[in-house]
Amino acid sequence: AQKVTQAQTEISVVEKEDVTLDCVYETRDTTYYLFWYKQPPSGELVFLIRRNSFDEQNEISGRYSWNFQKSTSSFNFTITASQVVDSAVYFCALSDMEYGNKLVFGAGTILRVKS
Amino acid sequence: DADVTQTPRNRITKTGKRIMLECSQTKGHDRMYWYRQDPGLGLRLIYYSFDVKDINKGEISDGYSVSRQAQAKFSLSLESAIPNQTALYFCATSDPSGDDYNEQFFGPGTRLTVL
Repeated sequence: AQKVTQAQTEISVVEKEDVTLDCVYETRDTTYYLFWYKQPPSGELVFLIRRNSFDEQNEISGRYSWNFQKSTSSFNFTITASQVVDSAVYFCALSDMEYGNKLVFGAGTILRVKS
Repeated sequence: DADVTQTPRNRITKTGKRIMLECSQTKGHDRMYWYRQDPGLGLRLIYYSFDVKDINKGEISDGYSVSRQAQAKFSLSLESAIPNQTALYFCATSDPSGDDYNEQFFGPGTRLTVL
């Protein structure tokens, strides 16, 4: 069965610290997609990244980077030099063919960045 | 204008009342979804529709019903609201082809409180 685990319920850091949000997934499918979404205090969901199972290259976008490791079924998200505006709930999600391409979400990690 | 809209954005209702949450999209996507978000549980799928004539139950459909009036509209109904249906509800759309393959586009959410 499909499952996404975000073991960190809440993380607090001080501004300018680096922070890594962990995501571990389970799927029997060989073709799948992984996502990260950000939910700021205003409540909307903001898409951050999509990665397919055949592309294990790490990705960097500004202060954000993602480390995809199929060997450990992990798709971790790192924010470098965190800022107060990064405070939000972050969700990791999985979509695979067996589950009809529907999204399975992790429980989310609350990130608090203090000034 | 937003591609996926939800009405109302906030609603307070009483136990036993019937309530409808509406979702409209201008993305031209066939696939639409309803999720609820509860603290610490992430987003869970209530119902989904892959086209106007194809409606399916998700993980937590009990107490809910849906209607797909047109490609662009997907409504969620609570026939007799109860307090544990108090949550943040999201509508989403997706297109199984093209560059956005498997990405879901979310509406702004409806915050529902059942007293």
